[in-house]
Amino acid sequence: DAMVIQNPRYQVTQFGKPVTLSCSQTLNHNVMYWYQQKSSQAPKLLFHYYDKDFNNEADTPDNFQSRRPNTSFCFLDIRSPGLGDAAMYLCATRGTGTYEQYFGPGTRLTVT
Amino acid sequence: KQEVTQIPAALSVPEGENLVLNCSFTDSAIYNLQWFRQDPGKGLTSLLLIQSSQREQTSGRLNASLDKSSGRSTLYIAASQPGDSATYLCAVGGHQAGTALIFGKGTTLSVSS
Repeated sequence: DAMVIQNPRYQVTQFGKPVTLSCSQTLNHNVMYWYQQKSSQAPKLLFHYYDKDFNNEADTPDNFQSRRPNTSFCFLDIRSPGLGDAAMYLCATRGTGTYEQYFGPGTRLTVT
Repeated sequence: KQEVTQIPAALSVPEGENLVLNCSFTDSAIYNLQWFRQDPGKGLTSLLLIQSSQREQTSGRLNASLDKSSGRSTLYIAASQPGDSATYLCAVGGHQAGTALIFGKGTTLSVSS
């Protein structure tokens, strides 16, 4: 009964080679978030979707893009990964009228 | 700018001990506070959510309290078990869906048998 699913769980990419991370949800929540968590640090919001409306955090690098083709799916694209982009990427969802955010298991990205 | 601090950064206790994890935040204008558990290399599991109008929430051996005016929350774990070993993060949130959860860096708990 997985609710927020992220694929792949582990991703290795080369420096500068584009990579896409995937998130899907079965909760039918209208808000989806992408957080970045570097080693021993707190998760940090990159951007979120409210339905189809995309909202970027002010300090999110241009290297990071996102797509949400439908309610269930959301993708994180890293156009030219650098070594500093190695991190755990967490997808979360939230329903209308609720405050609780539900997180997926994360994708650990390694950049070589 | 909201800042969330969790002290201590790490805690080791023997099995069976009751313990308290602390979380403090600088801006008391929050709408909710959420406690999460994170196992090594894994995602976040939501443990408890306290809305700003509430003072505490309980789930099994866990009890979370919130004192907005003093900018503090505690997570109480009763009768700790080795399976409780993990990193515990607190996060404060706003009313709007677009408001990011602002996380602390977490307290890493180790319960020895």
